[in-house]
Amino acid sequence: KAGVTQTPRYLIKTRGQQVTLSCSPISGHRSVSWYQQTPGQGLQFLFEYFSETQRNKGNFPGRFSGRQFSNSRSEMNVSTLELGDSALYLCASSLLPLRVYGYTFGSGTRLTVV
Amino acid sequence: AQTVTQSQPEMSVQEAETVTLSCTYDTSESDYYLFWYKQPPSRQMILVIRQEAYKQQNATENRFSVNFQKAAKSFSLKISDSQLGDAAMYFCAYRSAAPGSQGNLIFGKGTKLSVKP
Repeated sequence: KAGVTQTPRYLIKTRGQQVTLSCSPISGHRSVSWYQQTPGQGLQFLFEYFSETQRNKGNFPGRFSGRQFSNSRSEMNVSTLELGDSALYLCASSLLPLRVYGYTFGSGTRLTVV
Repeated sequence: AQTVTQSQPEMSVQEAETVTLSCTYDTSESDYYLFWYKQPPSRQMILVIRQEAYKQQNATENRFSVNFQKAAKSFSLKISDSQLGDAAMYFCAYRSAAPGSQGNLIFGKGTKLSVKP
């Protein structure tokens, strides 16, 4: 059974550009969450999608957005990149957005903004 | 708002010995879930163990066990018979189970565990 797949693994962008990251959840998983990991702030929740609808959103500016497709694959987009957006972006999937389940994480996309 | 604190930025253990990683959390809720995740250099977060707050019995998964003290809001992870492959960052995480809650994971800052051969 394939795990959570995130592409690309590494990305270098210039300040002011925009970027799109992709996440393919485990087959059958319908809930996808995104987290940002930085040395200073640690792991912070970005948003969660279930059945193509955003269920929850963390405390991030509107430059951060996402969506989920009918096959449960998810993308997140960051517009007008800032140096502080450099981070590891982790995607996690779950069978359902039920609290009893743990999430299965991908290996992340390392974004560097220069 | 809930918070999770891991007071040990780094820990070291000799191979085959036992180590305990500390985690405390702050919440006013009575229903929640606690997790320990492991993040090796491969970057993937791996679920180690999960504890449901309404269960008094401490969770155990092979060499990994927790000491869950609900009144003290403490959730420590014990790794027995440590192996070289246990070397990683370990994150403690909280997830609300309250109706209408966001349900996202709230993480501590992590503890870097080194295993000496």
